[in-house]
Amino acid sequence: ETGVTQSPTHLIKTRGQQVTLRCSSQSGHNTVSWYQQALGQGPQFIFQYYREEENGRGNFPPRFSGLQFPNYSSELNVNALELDDSALYLCASSLDIGRANSPLHFGNGTRLTVT
Amino acid sequence: KNQVEQSPQSLIILEGKNCTLQCNYTVSPFSNLRWYKQDTGRGPVSLTIMTFSENTKSNGRYTATLDADTKQSSLHITASQLSDSASYICVVRRNTGNQFYFGTGTSLTVIP
Repeated sequence: ETGVTQSPTHLIKTRGQQVTLRCSSQSGHNTVSWYQQALGQGPQFIFQYYREEENGRGNFPPRFSGLQFPNYSSELNVNALELDDSALYLCASSLDIGRANSPLHFGNGTRLTVT
Repeated sequence: KNQVEQSPQSLIILEGKNCTLQCNYTVSPFSNLRWYKQDTGRGPVSLTIMTFSENTKSNGRYTATLDADTKQSSLHITASQLSDSASYICVVRRNTGNQFYFGTGTSLTVIP
Protein backbone atom coordinates (compact mmCIF):
# COMPACT_ATOMS: atom_id res chain seq x y z
CA GLU A 1 0.00 0.00 0.00
CA THR A 2 1.51 3.32 -1.09
CA GLY A 3 1.19 6.14 1.43
CA VAL A 4 0.68 9.85 0.81
CA THR A 5 3.71 11.49 -0.76
CA GLN A 6 4.35 15.21 -1.14
CA SER A 7 6.88 17.11 -3.21
CA PRO A 8 9.06 18.98 -2.84
CA THR A 9 9.98 18.50 0.82
CA HIS A 10 11.44 21.99 1.13
CA LEU A 11 11.08 25.12 -0.95
CA ILE A 12 12.31 28.71 -0.73
CA LYS A 13 10.49 31.42 -2.66
CA THR A 14 10.55 35.19 -2.83
CA ARG A 15 7.61 37.40 -1.90
CA GLY A 16 5.33 37.93 -4.91
CA GLN A 17 6.27 34.69 -6.63
CA GLN A 18 3.98 31.74 -7.31
CA VAL A 19 4.40 28.18 -6.05
CA THR A 20 2.94 24.75 -6.84
CA LEU A 21 2.98 21.94 -4.32
CA ARG A 22 2.16 18.36 -5.25
CA CYS A 23 0.54 15.44 -3.48
CA SER A 24 0.02 11.81 -4.44
CA SER A 25 -2.80 10.30 -2.45
CA GLN A 26 -2.81 6.87 -0.88
CA SER A 27 -3.81 4.10 -3.24
CA GLY A 28 -7.59 3.85 -3.55
CA HIS A 29 -8.32 7.20 -1.87
CA ASN A 30 -10.50 9.62 -3.83
CA THR A 31 -10.56 12.59 -1.45
CA VAL A 32 -7.68 14.98 -0.84
CA SER A 33 -7.47 17.89 1.56
CA TRP A 34 -4.78 20.52 2.12
CA TYR A 35 -3.69 22.21 5.33
CA GLN A 36 -1.37 25.03 6.33
CA GLN A 37 0.55 24.57 9.57
CA ALA A 38 2.46 27.55 10.91
CA LEU A 39 5.27 26.89 13.35
CA GLY A 40 3.92 25.88 16.76
CA GLN A 41 0.32 25.87 15.55
CA GLY A 42 -2.20 23.26 14.53
CA PRO A 43 -3.02 22.72 10.87
CA GLN A 44 -5.57 25.05 9.26
CA PHE A 45 -7.92 23.61 6.64
CA ILE A 46 -7.41 25.17 3.18
CA PHE A 47 -9.71 23.11 0.94
CA GLN A 48 -10.78 19.61 -0.01
CA TYR A 49 -11.23 17.88 -3.37
CA TYR A 50 -13.46 14.93 -4.13
CA ARG A 51 -13.34 13.36 -7.58
CA GLU A 52 -11.74 16.45 -9.13
CA GLU A 53 -14.22 18.93 -7.65
CA GLU A 54 -13.59 21.32 -4.76
CA ASN A 55 -15.86 20.20 -1.94
CA GLY A 56 -15.19 22.41 1.04
CA ARG A 57 -12.99 25.43 1.66
CA GLY A 58 -11.56 27.10 4.74
CA ASN A 59 -10.90 30.77 5.34
CA PHE A 60 -8.13 31.26 2.78
CA PRO A 61 -8.04 33.92 0.00
CA PRO A 62 -8.57 33.05 -3.69
CA ARG A 63 -4.83 33.18 -4.37
CA PHE A 64 -4.80 29.70 -2.77
CA SER A 65 -6.15 27.37 -5.45
CA GLY A 66 -5.99 23.71 -6.21
CA LEU A 67 -6.55 20.89 -8.62
CA GLN A 68 -7.28 17.21 -8.36
CA PHE A 69 -6.44 14.94 -11.28
CA PRO A 70 -8.22 11.80 -12.55
CA ASN A 71 -5.69 9.63 -10.68
CA TYR A 72 -6.68 11.58 -7.51
CA SER A 73 -3.30 13.25 -7.11
CA SER A 74 -3.52 16.93 -6.30
CA GLU A 75 -1.80 20.29 -6.54
CA LEU A 76 -1.90 23.34 -4.31
CA ASN A 77 -1.09 26.63 -6.02
CA VAL A 78 -0.35 29.83 -4.18
CA ASN A 79 -0.04 33.11 -6.10
CA ALA A 80 1.50 36.41 -5.00
CA LEU A 81 3.33 34.83 -2.08
CA GLU A 82 3.45 36.75 1.19
CA LEU A 83 5.87 36.35 4.07
CA ASP A 84 3.04 34.92 6.23
CA ASP A 85 2.62 32.07 3.77
CA SER A 86 5.77 30.53 5.22
CA ALA A 87 4.55 27.27 6.78
CA LEU A 88 4.39 23.51 6.52
CA TYR A 89 1.80 22.52 3.93
CA LEU A 90 0.20 19.16 4.58
CA CYS A 91 -1.81 17.02 2.23
CA ALA A 92 -4.15 14.30 3.49
CA SER A 93 -6.09 11.67 1.59
CA SER A 94 -9.10 9.66 2.65
CA LEU A 95 -11.53 7.21 1.19
CA ASP A 96 -14.90 8.47 0.09
CA ILE A 97 -16.10 11.82 1.31
CA GLY A 98 -19.38 10.25 2.42
CA ARG A 99 -17.69 8.16 5.10
CA ALA A 100 -17.52 10.64 7.94
CA ASN A 101 -15.32 8.36 10.05
CA SER A 102 -12.80 7.67 7.34
CA PRO A 103 -9.36 8.47 8.76
CA LEU A 104 -7.14 11.10 7.18
CA HIS A 105 -3.77 9.86 5.98
CA PHE A 106 -1.22 12.67 5.94
CA GLY A 107 1.92 13.15 3.97
CA ASN A 108 5.02 14.57 5.65
CA GLY A 109 4.44 17.98 4.16
CA THR A 110 6.26 20.62 2.16
CA ARG A 111 8.13 23.24 4.17
CA LEU A 112 7.69 26.56 2.32
CA THR A 113 9.82 29.55 3.24
CA VAL A 114 9.00 32.94 1.73
CA THR A 115 11.73 35.58 1.91
CA LYS B 1 -17.38 30.24 16.36
CA ASN B 2 -16.05 26.75 15.68
CA GLN B 3 -12.98 26.22 17.85
CA VAL B 4 -10.86 23.48 19.37
CA GLU B 5 -8.77 24.25 22.43
CA GLN B 6 -6.18 21.96 23.99
CA SER B 7 -4.41 21.92 27.31
CA PRO B 8 -1.79 21.89 28.52
CA GLN B 9 0.23 23.56 25.79
CA SER B 10 3.26 21.48 26.76
CA LEU B 11 4.03 18.71 29.19
CA ILE B 12 7.18 16.95 30.43
CA ILE B 13 6.89 13.55 32.11
CA LEU B 14 9.20 10.77 33.21
CA GLU B 15 9.37 7.59 31.19
CA GLY B 16 6.91 5.02 32.51
CA LYS B 17 4.50 7.58 33.94
CA ASN B 18 0.94 8.19 32.75
CA CYS B 19 -0.48 11.47 31.49
CA THR B 20 -3.76 12.95 30.31
CA LEU B 21 -4.25 15.58 27.63
CA GLN B 22 -7.42 17.67 27.36
CA CYS B 23 -9.47 18.96 24.45
CA ASN B 24 -12.52 21.27 24.54
CA TYR B 25 -14.45 22.15 21.42
CA THR B 26 -17.30 24.34 20.25
CA VAL B 27 -17.59 22.88 16.74
CA SER B 28 -21.19 22.37 15.71
CA PRO B 29 -22.87 20.37 14.36
CA PHE B 30 -20.55 17.65 15.60
CA SER B 31 -19.60 14.65 13.46
CA ASN B 32 -16.60 13.05 15.12
CA LEU B 33 -13.49 13.77 17.17
CA ARG B 34 -10.03 12.51 16.36
CA TRP B 35 -6.68 12.44 18.10
CA TYR B 36 -3.50 12.57 16.07
CA LYS B 37 0.17 12.19 16.97
CA GLN B 38 2.62 14.39 15.08
CA ASP B 39 6.34 13.76 15.33
CA THR B 40 8.61 16.71 14.56
CA GLY B 41 8.91 17.25 10.82
CA ARG B 42 6.33 14.60 9.98
CA GLY B 43 2.65 14.54 9.11
CA PRO B 44 0.06 13.68 11.79
CA VAL B 45 -0.84 10.02 12.34
CA SER B 46 -4.31 8.97 13.45
CA LEU B 47 -4.68 7.48 16.95
CA THR B 48 -8.45 7.35 17.50
CA ILE B 49 -11.73 8.46 15.92
CA MET B 50 -14.87 8.78 18.05
CA THR B 51 -18.44 9.53 17.08
CA PHE B 52 -21.19 11.11 19.17
CA SER B 53 -22.26 7.77 20.65
CA GLU B 54 -18.80 6.61 21.72
CA ASN B 55 -17.48 7.43 25.19
CA THR B 56 -14.16 5.61 25.11
CA LYS B 57 -11.83 4.22 22.50
CA SER B 58 -8.43 2.62 22.97
CA ASN B 59 -5.46 2.11 20.71
CA GLY B 60 -2.74 0.27 22.58
CA ARG B 61 -1.47 2.50 25.38
CA TYR B 62 -3.65 5.39 24.15
CA THR B 63 -7.20 5.76 25.50
CA ALA B 64 -9.46 8.58 24.36
CA THR B 65 -12.68 9.63 26.07
CA LEU B 66 -15.48 11.81 24.77
CA ASP B 67 -18.25 13.65 26.61
CA ALA B 68 -20.42 15.07 23.84
CA ASP B 69 -22.68 16.85 26.34
CA THR B 70 -19.88 18.99 27.78
CA LYS B 71 -17.93 18.94 24.49
CA GLN B 72 -14.79 17.65 26.11
CA SER B 73 -12.34 14.91 25.23
CA SER B 74 -9.22 13.55 26.82
CA LEU B 75 -6.34 11.39 25.66
CA HIS B 76 -4.73 9.21 28.32
CA ILE B 77 -1.30 7.74 27.70
CA THR B 78 -0.30 4.82 29.88
CA ALA B 79 3.25 3.79 30.76
CA SER B 80 4.83 6.46 28.58
CA GLN B 81 7.81 5.69 26.38
CA LEU B 82 10.50 7.96 24.94
CA SER B 83 8.92 7.48 21.51
CA ASP B 84 5.72 9.09 22.79
CA SER B 85 7.50 12.47 22.64
CA ALA B 86 5.50 14.35 20.00
CA SER B 87 2.70 16.85 19.51
CA TYR B 88 -0.80 15.47 20.11
CA ILE B 89 -3.52 17.19 18.14
CA CYS B 90 -7.27 17.07 18.73
CA VAL B 91 -9.37 17.38 15.57
CA VAL B 92 -13.14 17.80 15.31
CA ARG B 93 -15.05 17.17 12.12
CA ARG B 94 -18.10 19.32 11.48
CA ASN B 95 -21.17 17.53 10.20
CA THR B 96 -21.68 20.07 7.40
CA GLY B 97 -19.22 21.70 5.02
CA ASN B 98 -16.70 18.83 5.13
CA GLN B 99 -14.42 20.81 7.42
CA PHE B 100 -11.97 19.69 10.05
CA TYR B 101 -11.02 21.95 12.98
CA PHE B 102 -7.64 21.40 14.57
CA GLY B 103 -6.41 22.30 18.02
CA THR B 104 -2.94 23.80 18.40
CA GLY B 105 -1.70 20.59 20.01
CA THR B 106 -0.05 19.54 23.24
CA SER B 107 3.70 19.09 23.02
CA LEU B 108 4.66 16.05 25.10
CA THR B 109 8.25 15.34 26.09
CA VAL B 110 9.08 12.05 27.79
CA ILE B 111 12.42 12.03 29.58
CA PRO B 112 14.40 9.03 30.85
